[in-house]
Amino acid sequence: GQQVMQIPQYQHVQEGEDFTTYCNSSTTLSNIQWYKQRPGGHPVFLIQLVKSGEVKKQKRLTFQFGEAKKNSSLHITATQTTDVGTYFCAGPDSWGKFQFGAGTQVVVTP
Amino acid sequence: DAGITQSPRHKVTETGTPVTLRCHQTENHRYMYWYRQDPGHGLRLIHYSYGVKDTDKGEVSDGYSVSRSKTEDFLLTLESATSSQTSVYFCAISEGELRSSYEQYFGPGTRLTVT
Repeated sequence: GQQVMQIPQYQHVQEGEDFTTYCNSSTTLSNIQWYKQRPGGHPVFLIQLVKSGEVKKQKRLTFQFGEAKKNSSLHITATQTTDVGTYFCAGPDSWGKFQFGAGTQVVVTP
Repeated sequence: DAGITQSPRHKVTETGTPVTLRCHQTENHRYMYWYRQDPGHGLRLIHYSYGVKDTDKGEVSDGYSVSRSKTEDFLLTLESATSSQTSVYFCAISEGELRSSYEQYFGPGTRLTVT
């Protein structure tokens, strides 16, 4: 079955630095979604990518969907303490059921 | 936040007892989902519903059953709770099929501990 892998599992970042987290699927995805979960909270939808090679930006966050629609990345520039949390990617399998990656937990050091 | 509530928010129960978790939505969305979240595993789909009385299994459905008698309510039942079912349970809703690019909205979660 489909597998969605995220790397790294943990990311320690100094405030002001940039970092990237990656999402890889074993199968082609019709779309990919990114969610953020703050500590003690619930996942919140950030963005969705549908087209091959698509790039979308939300302020300091840049999301990219790979050309083969099997991978995606989230790049955060000038990390702030408000970026703390776990970032999940997720995509539907051929049956339409969503597979979530295990997430990248981001810790920001002031 | 979308109008999704979960009850109870916290529960401690003993092994072998039945447990029912409730998800209630006020958005009139067709699709509802139950996930469990455990360290290192992200969110794993237990069951989902695509309409009243229409449900299907997810990747970790063993030991769980669901029911949806009304659009707004989706119940998750652990017939005989086990310690391996200790987890945080999230309900989610979506207006349409996820493969058709609809996003999910999550409830606040229920922390279940089975002793």
